[in-house]
Amino acid sequence: QSVLTQPPSASGTPGQRVTISCSETNSNLRRDTVNWFQYVPGTAPKLLIYSNDQRPSGVPDRFSGSKSGTSASLAINGLQSEDEADYYCAAWDDSVSGWVFGGGTKLTVL
Amino acid sequence: QLVESGGGLVKPGGSLRLSCAGSGFTFNTYPMNWVRQAPGRGLEWVSSNGLRGGDVWYAESVKGRFIISRENAKNSLYLQMNSLRDDDTAVYFCARGMVGHYGMDVWGPGTTVTVSS
Repeated sequence: QSVLTQPPSASGTPGQRVTISCSETNSNLRRDTVNWFQYVPGTAPKLLIYSNDQRPSGVPDRFSGSKSGTSASLAINGLQSEDEADYYCAAWDDSVSGWVFGGGTKLTVL
Repeated sequence: QLVESGGGLVKPGGSLRLSCAGSGFTFNTYPMNWVRQAPGRGLEWVSSNGLRGGDVWYAESVKGRFIISRENAKNSLYLQMNSLRDDDTAVYFCARGMVGHYGMDVWGPGTTVTVSS
């Protein structure tokens, strides 16, 4: 089974650019399935990015996703206080026929 | 929109059935998923139900104990949870999937399951 590794925490000041990484340990993840979710405990998780770099309608273009080899990244430009949340990457793992989530990154806006 | 229901307090070894009601979209054209978050832990995928009858998948942690099903006529997804354990305590979310496993784009607010004696 693949494992997705994220840094446990990240931080930035308003207006800054922040990136969060997501590295996979194996190559069983299906191509073009990396998702990024924003999650504030007590609310519904929100999809920010799907298929590695696609942004659903309604998600501000400050959020962008990329993937190179076994590493994916979420970039947030023009950081805002309301971006303070937990961020999770996820991808479909063909070896177990299921979704794999990263451990999550807690983003603090200083 | 997705709304979960059926959570509650149950003793170890007990059973619970969660429901997820979908509205505002053509339910039978989307795969559906259950994802949970245990206290102090991250998001964890639980189970998925595809568009074809045999397309059901489970995390190892729930395989053999949980059963996912859907009733398209009622725009509903279910999760029958049996032999519940303390570590099944979590908020359970229902999430709409994208065909081809490209993503999970609509989520419900979750329902809380507490397994405790």
